[in-house]
Amino acid sequence: AQSVTQPDIHITVSEGASLELRCNYSYGATPYLFWYVQSPGQGLQLLLKYFSGDTLVQGIKGFEAEFKRSQSSFNLRKPSVHWSDAAEYFCAVGAGNNNDMRFGAGTRLTVKP
Amino acid sequence: GAGVSQTPSNKVTEKGKYVELRCDPISGHTALYWYRQSLGQGPEFLIYFQGTGAADDSGLPNDRFFAVRPEGSVSTLKIQRTERGDSAVYLCASSWGQTDTQYFGPGTRLTVL
Repeated sequence: AQSVTQPDIHITVSEGASLELRCNYSYGATPYLFWYVQSPGQGLQLLLKYFSGDTLVQGIKGFEAEFKRSQSSFNLRKPSVHWSDAAEYFCAVGAGNNNDMRFGAGTRLTVKP
Repeated sequence: GAGVSQTPSNKVTEKGKYVELRCDPISGHTALYWYRQSLGQGPEFLIYFQGTGAADDSGLPNDRFFAVRPEGSVSTLKIQRTERGDSAVYLCASSWGQTDTQYFGPGTRLTVL
């Protein structure tokens, strides 16, 4: 079965600084990969997804992620963080369909003014 | 309000009691998912409906958990003889089809005393 590791439990960055959240997956075939964001009291919101094709994926709110098969990674990046980006971020991997997603434990992002 | 809604937002119950959690998906979405999110963890898949039928219930932890979707729209997650370990946020998501983006509701926080 597929699995996801998010090595960083908590990251703090200054507003305006760049951001990279790490995600490593384990799956034998080409995975479906997702990044979700969860703000307090809000539902999970999809930031971006990778199914196939271009390995650099653009998402909402200025986020992007790059699929690197050789490293089994799908790291999330943003060039300039805004205070409103403070939230919990989850990476997920799907095994060829949508209902069998496995989520990582999440990375909590704090943004310093 | 076109999003996924879940009721109640909070539910406190006593050990051994029966609870029902409701999910109203986005109108027209045929696929519906239930997840459980324990503190400090990512969402854990419970069950997936395609229409009225449970297409995949492999994530239900034991036979105390049951879910229905009798008319292919609203779904109810039912937990019998609740245990303290059932305390978590129960998330519902819906999508147009199995491979489409899942839209999550805000969740129901269940506390078993």
